[in-house]
Amino acid sequence: DAKTTQPPSMDCAEGRAANLPCNHSTISGNEYVYWYRQIHSQGPQYIIHGLKNNETNEMASLIITEDRKSSTLILPHATLRDTAVYYCIVRLGMDSSYKLIFGSGTRLLVRP
Amino acid sequence: DTEVTQTPKHLVMGMTNKKSLKCEQHMGHRAMYWYKQKAKKPPELMFVYSYEKLSINESVPSRFSPECPNSSLLNLHLHALQPEDSALYLCASSPAGTGNHEQFFGPGTRLTVL
Repeated sequence: DAKTTQPPSMDCAEGRAANLPCNHSTISGNEYVYWYRQIHSQGPQYIIHGLKNNETNEMASLIITEDRKSSTLILPHATLRDTAVYYCIVRLGMDSSYKLIFGSGTRLLVRP
Repeated sequence: DTEVTQTPKHLVMGMTNKKSLKCEQHMGHRAMYWYKQKAKKPPELMFVYSYEKLSINESVPSRFSPECPNSSLLNLHLHALQPEDSALYLCASSPAGTGNHEQFFGPGTRLTVL
């Protein structure tokens, strides 16, 4: 059963911020939200993850609402190479082996 | 070495064939995963190995048989597959122990069953 819902597609202009939303209203308190992206059917690439607090790394920022029912992935300055399918994912389990439950993904098109 | 490698890149097999997919990592990860991805769909977990032991089987048909001969290697043996098993098969690995680890994915093997 999908734990996340995402819009099927979005677009943004090159150089602008891309804001990708995700709903996860049934997430449990100890379940992390992960984001991966997949380009041209290559292997998924890790972007960022978080639990409660907002997170930022060199690729993106993750904003999680206080009630944890939704989050937004922000690519601050999108480039053409950011065109990909972005998956919002819930992690189940905290030990050495765990499950990533993928959402259906958002196809992001970055326009020149 | 920070990558997961998968061979072959492409595989075409008949329904009576036996073939194997191979996955390798040299990052010292002790958890390894097989996913199946149909066209235009997200990856779906098939199997998880933790410390070379099968820890999760997501009710995968027995025509798929995983094997983890050592901590660096993960195989997926295929036998009597159906055309609907055609998909991209992805391998991933992650560090051992509890904590906030990412899974590192390989590029996948694209399988076509005729």
